[in-house]
Amino acid sequence: SQQGEEDPQALSIQEGENATMNCSYKTSINNLQWYRQNSGRGLVHLILIRSNEREKHSGRLRVTLDTSKKSSSLLITASRAADTASYFCATDAFQFYFGTGTSLTVIP
Amino acid sequence: GAGVSQSPRYKVAKRGQDVALRCDPISGHVSLFWYQQALGQGPEFLTYFQNEAQLDKSGLPSDRFFAERPEGSVSTLKIQRTQQEDSAVYLCASSLVVLAGDNEQFFGPGTRLTVL
Repeated sequence: SQQGEEDPQALSIQEGENATMNCSYKTSINNLQWYRQNSGRGLVHLILIRSNEREKHSGRLRVTLDTSKKSSSLLITASRAADTASYFCATDAFQFYFGTGTSLTVIP
Repeated sequence: GAGVSQSPRYKVAKRGQDVALRCDPISGHVSLFWYQQALGQGPEFLTYFQNEAQLDKSGLPSDRFFAERPEGSVSTLKIQRTQQEDSAVYLCASSLVVLAGDNEQFFGPGTRLTVL
């Protein structure tokens, strides 16, 4: 079973726009991580946010975490065509539980 | 090597055949994970090793699935008597330390298994 659920399932935007993806989860966590997957490739780690953090930045990425709502959001600013990929949130237990992913398409 | 490697990258098997999928983790990584990813879905946890010890195999879908990591480095995922529902991408990931949630997992490119 998958604990994380991303929303929306698919998102299409123009290059330069911001993209926001959301993730909801079910149980208490120690941290939440976001990963990216290009078509036919493995997953690449983007950012980790701990349960005692509310916001974290890394380059064009901004992640928020609301443990009271059991939700997280990933914002990609000034999107590029190369950002086209699927994005997954993963919550920790002893192993990772991944959501179903948001498929992002950035149109040049 | 520089990253996690998996072989073969693609495998086509006839229903009923046995297959073996290999994962070479990053040297020195203690933890190793196997995931199954169906088309359009996120990865689903299969099993976890800490060095050579298989600490969690709760995600293995049936007793046809078997994984091993005998020397604490390379791991093999074996699927016996493959069925069509086994068709998926099998991802391997490794992590430097013991606890999965506290560290980044480094993923291999996956093996795409197609069972005819």
